[in-house]
Amino acid sequence: QVQLVESGGGVVQPGRSLRLSCAASGFTFSSYAMHWVRQAPGKGLEWVAVISYDGSIKYYADSVKGRFTISRDNSKNTLYLQMNSLRAEDTALYYCARDPTQYAIGYMDVWGKGTTVTVSS
Amino acid sequence: DIQMTQSPSTLSASVGDRVTITCRASQTISRWLAWYQQKPGKAPKLLIYKASSLESGVPSRFSGSGSGTEFTLTISSLQPDDFATYYCQQYNSYSWTFGQGTKVEIK
Repeated sequence: QVQLVESGGGVVQPGRSLRLSCAASGFTFSSYAMHWVRQAPGKGLEWVAVISYDGSIKYYADSVKGRFTISRDNSKNTLYLQMNSLRAEDTALYYCARDPTQYAIGYMDVWGKGTTVTVSS
Repeated sequence: DIQMTQSPSTLSASVGDRVTITCRASQTISRWLAWYQQKPGKAPKLLIYKASSLESGVPSRFSGSGSGTEFTLTISSLQPDDFATYYCQQYNSYSWTFGQGTKVEIK
């Protein structure tokens, strides 16, 4: 079945880096744009970044621009989020989600269960 | 950036009630709006896309309407499984934003 599984979360000190991964299965990963969305403890959903099906288009939320990088490896059916210069306010559950379009002009129709990132000294 | 405002923030209702949640966009987004349901400890689930299109497998008691800046999600007859938090989300431009959420509680 269609599935997204995030990994790579953990506890990290402010200013350090972390890389999240999202393994896709059950669908043709290389045909879809992909998003990262996060949710701080007890808070709502915040869109973080998106990448087109071929990696040619990338967009970021202002809150992470210049610090986070989204990428993908279609040969491995895997999405990534490189997070640098982490701050306490980046603490959240990070979801990857599929966009039903190629060029990231859609909504999110499939979601993973998320991986938790805690930024704390 | 386009801001999305949902109302109410919390809604108390009983099984069988008709429930309506409103979402307003700070600028026109045509019909580029989705609705999601999230239960505690779970990932969001897509209910509605393009303002009124029902996602496959979602019960027909859920419906969406609106265009431009005003949108609504309606649950025609609230079921026990529907107590959850609902989010709207715009995808009009290359900047996706969610509403703050509406929690539907048992009255």
